[in-house]
Formats: sequence, C-alpha cells, structure tokens
Amino acid sequence: DAKTTQPNSMESNEEEPVHLPCNHSTISGTDYIHWYRQLPSQGPEYVIHGLTSNVNNRMASLAIAEDRKSSTLILHRATLRDAAVYYCILRDLGRTALIFGKGTTLSVSS
Amino acid sequence: GAGVSQSPRYKVAKRGQDVALRCDPISGHVSLFWYQQALGQGPEFLTYFQNEAQLDKSGLPSDRFFAERPEGSVSTLKIQRTQQEDSAVYLCASSSPIPGAYNEQFFGPGTRLTVL
Repeated sequence: DAKTTQPNSMESNEEEPVHLPCNHSTISGTDYIHWYRQLPSQGPEYVIHGLTSNVNNRMASLAIAEDRKSSTLILHRATLRDAAVYYCILRDLGRTALIFGKGTTLSVSS
Repeated sequence: GAGVSQSPRYKVAKRGQDVALRCDPISGHVSLFWYQQALGQGPEFLTYFQNEAQLDKSGLPSDRFFAERPEGSVSTLKIQRTQQEDSAVYLCASSSPIPGAYNEQFFGPGTRLTVL
C-alpha cells in the first residue's frame, strides 16, 4: 500500500481555520485519498475522500495537489469538538481494509 | 439511528484466559471489519467478512485469534490463551457496499482489552 506522511501534531485556536497536510508521493493512479478522524475514546469516523478534484462536504474540504502527491484537509472553523487524531489514508477502491498510520493529533484551544 | 455497537466496552483478562468480543453492525450492512489498536497507534486491520464469508483474515496476528459471523450479522472475535501483547482496543466497523458509490466504514466504540 502507498504510504502517507503526516505531522505528529498540530495546534489551533477555536474559530480559526486548520490546514492538515498529508504527503503521499508514491500514490498510484487508482488510489483514493481518504480522511478519517478519531475523537478521544471513540472509534474512527469518516470525514471526506477524493480522487483528483477538490471536495467539500459539511465537515471539511479536501484540497488535492495537481500531481496528487500531497493533499490538505481543511477545517474552516475549528471547534473544541474537532480535537482528534486525523488519519490520511490511501485506498484503491478494489481494496476493502483501511490502512491507518499514526495520524496527526489536532489540539484546539479556546 | 443505531450505529455499530460492541460489547463489552471493557474487558480485563488474566493471561491464558480465553475472551470473546461481540460486534453488532448497522442493520443491513454486508461488510464487517475487525481492527486492533494498540496504545498510541492507528488501528490495524485484522479480518473482513462479506455476509457470513470471511474473505480476508490476513491481519490476524496468530492462530489464537479467531473471528466468526455465522448468520451474516453479529460477529464475534475470540482470542484464546490471551497474552499481555494482546492488550489493545478492538474496533469493529461495518459498511454497505453500494455499486458505484463510496462505501465509508462506520466504526463502533471499541472494546478495550487488558491482559494482566
């Protein structure tokens, strides 16, 4: 599976935007970019996914570089409830399991 | 609506005991996954079911780990002769494969297993 690289931790203030980077230089043409997050003491939850074009949903936006070797998860206005571990995952649609790395631990201060 | 539920939420076992962890997926979800999450790490895939068929068990760490889903709904992960290194959170996830659509996985809260 293609590998992703994320910073171990990031900090943000409440109500400010947060940009969470992910590098995936060995991504293949059929790999989708997925983001899941895990709040404390909970299971992971889906955030967003994309292939080539930027994507928006009610939770976040996903900006994908033109060469697809990196992407950024954007939380437009961080809240205290967004404090979590964010995982960037590559997965071919033909594969079923998610391969998690260590993710980025996001801290949000009021 | 009801999400994925797991029981028990916490389990303490003495080394050498057998344990059984239960997962109730979202009703109607065909696919079911088990993951193991050690402290400070991301979840690691253990096994995958489509209905009652176990299609991938490549992540099971040893033959002490066994999973079943006999009627294609509830699943049980069994660990025999538990060892201290089995201490982890065991996560269950389900999804409903819809052709042509993205099939996100819905996770339960996990069972925290501590082996003394």
